[in-house]
Amino acid sequence: GENVEQHPSTLSVQEGDSAVIKCTYSDSASNYFPWYKQELGKGPQLIIDIRSNVGEKKDQRIAVTLNKTAKHFSLHITETQPEDSAVYFCAASSSNTGNQFYFGTGTSLTVIP
Amino acid sequence: KAGVTQTPRYLIKTRGQQVTLSCSPISGHRSVSWYQQTPGQGLQFLFEYFSETQRNKGNFPGRFSGRQFSNSRSEMNVSTLELGDSALYLCASSLLQAGGPGEQYFGPGTRLTVT
Repeated sequence: GENVEQHPSTLSVQEGDSAVIKCTYSDSASNYFPWYKQELGKGPQLIIDIRSNVGEKKDQRIAVTLNKTAKHFSLHITETQPEDSAVYFCAASSSNTGNQFYFGTGTSLTVIP
Repeated sequence: KAGVTQTPRYLIKTRGQQVTLSCSPISGHRSVSWYQQTPGQGLQFLFEYFSETQRNKGNFPGRFSGRQFSNSRSEMNVSTLELGDSALYLCASSLLQAGGPGEQYFGPGTRLTVT
């Protein structure tokens, strides 16, 4: 099956700096890559996603890039704010597996005011 | 539009008991997936239901089962509870779409503690 690895496991940045979280996947059939933000006591919240026919997608301060050849994708958060502090998860899925998502192990992001 | 709702939010059970968790998807979403989240194993897929049929199943023992009703609401059941079943159980709903997996939206989860 698919194996998703996520790095780093913890990340601290100063407010206003950028944060980058990286994930790799193993199954070349994977074609959908969402990112989730999970705050304490809440379920994961979908913040951005990308499909394999696109190399980059942006939504305000958040962007995701995908390199299909290298099988890796990254989350970029610019101008970080304290409310960005949370655990972020990447995931991968393919048309072969329907809505079965494989998740990375999470990155705990702390934005220091 | 209301989000995914899960009941109950918290549950304490004793080893050997069974438990049933409930999930109501976003209106119009017919696919419901269940995940188990633990600090050690992260988010692991349990199963997915669409139109009352199980489409996919993760690598969990048969003690974990689920079902979906005609209104797309879903339940999962865990029988003969073990201490290791203590976890946050998350439900996610999605619209199926042609050409690939659909966006999944998660509920707040049910925190199950087995003593």
